[in-house]
Amino acid sequence: EVQLVESGGGLVQPGGSLRLSCAASGFSFSDHYMDWVRQAPGKGLEWVGRIRKKSNSYTTEYAASVKGRFTISRDDSKNSLYLQMNSLGTEDTAVYYCTRIPATGTHYGMDVWGQGTTVTVSS
Amino acid sequence: DIQMTQSPSTLSASVGDGVTITCRASQSITSSLVWYQQKPGNAPKLLIYKASSLESGVPSRFSGSGSGTEFTLTISSLQPDDFATYYCQQYNSYPVTFGQGTRLEI
Repeated sequence: EVQLVESGGGLVQPGGSLRLSCAASGFSFSDHYMDWVRQAPGKGLEWVGRIRKKSNSYTTEYAASVKGRFTISRDDSKNSLYLQMNSLGTEDTAVYYCTRIPATGTHYGMDVWGQGTTVTVSS
Repeated sequence: DIQMTQSPSTLSASVGDGVTITCRASQSITSSLVWYQQKPGNAPKLLIYKASSLESGVPSRFSGSGSGTEFTLTISSLQPDDFATYYCQQYNSYPVTFGQGTRLEI
């Protein structure tokens, strides 16, 4: 079964840091670009960023709202995706989803989503 | 950034009805558009990719159309399971952007 499972969410104080993880299974993780998407309580979806695969030098893209504060990385040997979040503010409170981009290049929508992990930034 | 605007924000309908949701891009995105369905407490689910291609396993009552700046998602005969929030998303250029969502309610 194709699956993405996020972990690492929790309560953090403003200005703090948190590292989210996403464990992939059931597919060839290394073949796929991977994205993070977040959803603030009661709000819509917001793209956070993307990491490409090894053949694309693991390059990354970020939303302006997180650039310079968040870092996406991956470990293909562990089938894992990460999101390092620094200098967190209350506006970063959200459910964070790990998502997969199809390997075929047919399109660049997100065809598999994790269940999400909740990050709450509050004092 | 490319702004995606969905209309309406909320849509009321009944089982058996046909409905259409519109998504407009602030500039041309060719056919680089996907549609998702999200139910409360769940992750979004991909319905349509490349504006009009049906994702595997998605019922054929869902269809998408459009190119350039105007796109539609049509549900031909609403089933109880279809009452949810729908989002469009463009992947033509960075940053990836979503519409604000359309809540389909009974």
